Amino acid sequence: GQQVMQIPQYQHVQEGEDFTTYCNSSTTLSNIQWYKQRPGGHPVFLIQLVKSGEVKKQKRLTFQFGEAKKNSSLHITATQTTDVGTYFCAGDTGGFKTIFGAGTRLFVKA
Amino acid sequence: DTAVSQTPKYLVTQMGNDKSIKCEQNLGHDTMYWYKQDSKKFLKIMFSYNNKELIINETVPNRFSPKSPDKAHLNLHINSLELGDSAVYFCASSRQPQKGNTIYFGEGSWLTVV
Repeated sequence: GQQVMQIPQYQHVQEGEDFTTYCNSSTTLSNIQWYKQRPGGHPVFLIQLVKSGEVKKQKRLTFQFGEAKKNSSLHITATQTTDVGTYFCAGDTGGFKTIFGAGTRLFVKA
Repeated sequence: DTAVSQTPKYLVTQMGNDKSIKCEQNLGHDTMYWYKQDSKKFLKIMFSYNNKELIINETVPNRFSPKSPDKAHLNLHINSLELGDSAVYFCASSRQPQKGNTIYFGEGSWLTVV
């Protein structure tokens, strides 16, 4: 069945360092979304990428969608303690099912 | 105004009991979901309803039974609770998935089975 792999599972960074999480799908995606879940909270939508090769930025966050629409990445520049949480990618093939990656837990040390 | 609200937020119960979690969304969405998140943070879809019709039913024990009285509500009933059912259960909703599938999650229901 369709799978969405996400790495790394955990990442510990010093405040100010950069962070990247990667997502790979076994099948071509119609779109991919990214969500952030703060500790003790619920997943909150960050962004959706639809086009092949698309790059979107939100302040210090940069999101990319691969040319083949099978992979994506989220890069955070100069992490802050407020970036702590779990980042999920979620792949959509255009049907009723969105497949979530396993998430990357980001720990930021001040 | 909470977009997706679920109750209760915390639930501690004994093995063998039956419990329900209620969910309501006021976003006018057609599709609602139940997700289970275990201690390792994996988010697994359990069920999805579109306009009150069940469209996704993952490999979930039949002790779990969703009910959607209308498209704004999706409740989850769990019979004969087991220790392994302890998790956070998220209700969620979205518009018609084919038109882009931003998912709005409720705040979660922390279920602990003792």
